[in-house]
Amino acid sequence: QKEVEQDPGPLSVPEGAIVSLNCTYSNSAFQYFMWYRQYSRKGPELLMYTYSSGNKEDGRFTAQVDKSSKYISLFIRDSQPSDSATYLCAMRKTSGSRLTFGEGTQLTVNP
Amino acid sequence: EPEVTQTPSHQVTQMGQEVILHCVPISNHLYFYWYRQILGQKVEFLVSFYNNEISEKSEIFDDQFSVERPDGSNFTLKIRSTKLEDSAMYFCASSELLETQYFGPGTRLLVL
Repeated sequence: QKEVEQDPGPLSVPEGAIVSLNCTYSNSAFQYFMWYRQYSRKGPELLMYTYSSGNKEDGRFTAQVDKSSKYISLFIRDSQPSDSATYLCAMRKTSGSRLTFGEGTQLTVNP
Repeated sequence: EPEVTQTPSHQVTQMGQEVILHCVPISNHLYFYWYRQILGQKVEFLVSFYNNEISEKSEIFDDQFSVERPDGSNFTLKIRSTKLEDSAMYFCASSELLETQYFGPGTRLLVL
């Protein structure tokens, strides 16, 4: 079983739609959760970081963590064509510095 | 806004040659990392570096890899004898705190 699982998509939505991106994980040692956005052939760009279960909001983005279900989500409201990218979930264990990434979900927002 | 920079953006080398990838982390950051992404695959951790020593490394980071902080601003990854399977995008990252790791644009390494 993979430590972090993420549906690679592709996911295609119309402009203005609410997008839901998800990851599951198997190891309860993961305590810190991040979402990165990666445009084609570029480096990952940090979008959101969360620690505890619950929601964290930043503009059009909301990150949600449910540690009991080992499930994290990223919601994008009022999606824009410029949101078209690959979205990577990443997580870190309490002990250690490495981030473990999901495979990424490719999102296209159509005008 | 401060950012991580990497050079070169592209590197082509022959199998068995040594390559050095260069990174300039964000200036007040204390933790430095290398990750790689083979085409079509997930981003994988290689090594983290703190206080002038390796703090964690993955099983990928074997004896052919080394890292160095030769001065106060640069952070390098050396691959001693490149193999075909080393072809990948290599990302440098830095952080002030362990969670908020900021990535550079990457160096695309092609081993022929």
